[in-house]
Amino acid sequence: EDQVTQSPEALRLQEGESSSLNCSYTVSGLRGLFWYRQDPGKGPEFLFTLYSAGEEKEKERLKATLTKKESFLHITAPKPEDSATYLCAVQPFNQAGTALIFGKGTTLSVSS
Amino acid sequence: ETGVTQTPRHLVMGMTNKKSLKCEQHLGHNAMYWYKQSAKKPLELMFVYSLEERVENNSVPSRFSPECPNSSHLFLHLHTLQPEDSALYLCASSQDGGKAFFGQGTRLTVV
Repeated sequence: EDQVTQSPEALRLQEGESSSLNCSYTVSGLRGLFWYRQDPGKGPEFLFTLYSAGEEKEKERLKATLTKKESFLHITAPKPEDSATYLCAVQPFNQAGTALIFGKGTTLSVSS
Repeated sequence: ETGVTQTPRHLVMGMTNKKSLKCEQHLGHNAMYWYKQSAKKPLELMFVYSLEERVENNSVPSRFSPECPNSSHLFLHLHTLQPEDSALYLCASSQDGGKAFFGQGTRLTVV
């Protein structure tokens, strides 16, 4: 069964304290791995897509990496405005038109 | 104009009411989705419309009924809901099941 597990469930950081979020996945074949950011009461906002092991993507203080079993979202010198829930999702390689499979998310709180 | 628009943003309904959620996408995608998001749970896929075919999660109760009149519009018809159906309902679209673009969601409260 295709599955996505994110850890930790919640993470509290001080402003400037770098850390990483983990997304481990089990899928028959990976077509793509996606990271989203979600603010309370709003829809998820797309951050990154990763397609193959070794690939990396960066955007401001965020960097996403991918291996054959997991992905990391590295947050460098976070600011309070980075506080949000970060969701990881995978697209299985079975057929077009299927939906993404999401993890439960990691809720990040950054205090000044 | 945003990519995926959902209305209403908030909805309070009684258990005997009938209401509908609306979603419209302006991205030219060929797939649209309804997700349910409850606290402490992953996004739960309810329905997929892809290339005009419907794929559904068999665990979704029949009190939820989707409708997709064309590739740009998606509805979720609600009737005789239960309090446990209170959640954030999210619409999304994608091209061929890839990167999904989400609407802002409808916060539903069943009283």
